[in-house]
Amino acid sequence: GIQVEQSPPDLILQEGANSTLRCNFSDSVNNLQWFHQNPWGQLINLFYIPSGTKQNGRLSATTVATERYSLLYISSSQTTDSGVYFCAVERRGANSKLTFGKGITLSVRP
Amino acid sequence: DVKVTQSSRYLVKRTGEKVFLECVQDMDHENMFWYRQDPGLGLRLIYFSYDVKMKEKGDIPEGYSVSREKKERFSLILESASTNQTSMYLCASRLAGAGETQYFGPGTRLLVL
Repeated sequence: GIQVEQSPPDLILQEGANSTLRCNFSDSVNNLQWFHQNPWGQLINLFYIPSGTKQNGRLSATTVATERYSLLYISSSQTTDSGVYFCAVERRGANSKLTFGKGITLSVRP
Repeated sequence: DVKVTQSSRYLVKRTGEKVFLECVQDMDHENMFWYRQDPGLGLRLIYFSYDVKMKEKGDIPEGYSVSREKKERFSLILESASTNQTSMYLCASRLAGAGETQYFGPGTRLLVL
């Protein structure tokens, strides 16, 4: 099956700093989503981004499908950004099944 | 807004008990999914369903079964709970077709003693 690797596994930031989270995948995809899991366990959709660039406030994401990676940018980080960030992809022909990376644990310190 | 709800946030059960986890979505989604999440392993797919009364095994179906009698409801069943099924269980739903956004419920933390 498709492999999804996220890096770094853990990240500690001072409030106000910027960061880049990376997701590499091993096959062509027709769906890529970034999720944030808050401390209570809820996964929140951040972006649906199989290709191109999107921005939503302090967050933005870029997927280069031909090179099989996606980047999530967090600018001016806040303590509420803490949690686990997951990248999930749907391989072409996978019939709606998402494969998740193992996640990146982000801690933003005040 | 899409809403996916799960019957319990926290559950404590004894080894050997039969456990039912319920998931309901209110957006007429065809596809529904059950995952479990464990530290260091990410989310792993247990079962999914494309439509009413249809189900397919995911990556780790052993020890679990599912039921989908109505489109909005997808149940996960642990026939005889074991301690290695202690985990966070997450339900999700989405529209059919490639490239649709997937939405998650709040999760159920299950402890099997």
